[in-house]
Amino acid sequence: DGGITQSPKYLFRKEGQNVTLSCEQNLNHDAMYWYRQDPGQGLRLIYYSQIVNDFQKGDIAEGYSVSREKKESFPLTVTSAQKNPTAFYLCASSIFSRETQYFGPGTRLLVL
Amino acid sequence: AQTVTQSQPEMSVQEAETVTLSCTYDTSESDYYLFWYKQPPSRQMILVIRQEAYKQQNATENRFSVNFQKAAKSFSLKISDSQLGDAAMYFCAYRSAMTGTASKLTFGTGTRLQVTL
Repeated sequence: DGGITQSPKYLFRKEGQNVTLSCEQNLNHDAMYWYRQDPGQGLRLIYYSQIVNDFQKGDIAEGYSVSREKKESFPLTVTSAQKNPTAFYLCASSIFSRETQYFGPGTRLLVL
Repeated sequence: AQTVTQSQPEMSVQEAETVTLSCTYDTSESDYYLFWYKQPPSRQMILVIRQEAYKQQNATENRFSVNFQKAAKSFSLKISDSQLGDAAMYFCAYRSAMTGTASKLTFGTGTRLQVTL
């Protein structure tokens, strides 16, 4: 089955803790993205990567970090610098950076 | 910067009827793409339909069709023969087609569609 997987489905973060959200795709897509969704709002772009070992900041990158060491993986770390991390996080990928984006099932992050 | 506006927070339609969801956008670009995504209770975003701005013909996917009015910067989604499974949040999104621009999607705030028996 080809697709995008995200894990875990739910994640709890303690104060001052860094947590990492996983995103994996087996679609052979070059580009990958991380979006954040808050209640009553649309999605906002955190980071994106067009090729391996390269990534760019989106609109709300502060308090987040990413890596792209492998084509199929694009993990997102929510650092302690992100003061309001509670949200739904969606990963997406596309064949090339200007093609249609397809989304994973998402990770819900909650703060204890 | 581009903006996308969905002015209907909630809509309701009876099963088998037709409903139209509105979307307007603001851009100074001439080449771009527009999308409608569906987010059911599972919260996974599912692509419903895509429209290229350079195409005058409105996109259609089975029961879903759009009314794309480029001059008016309007992009509405029509759902025909509504089914219970169509109940979801629907998001309109914009993406620039210009070379060298960030490949992000700009989303509206969504319209929650209820389907009643």
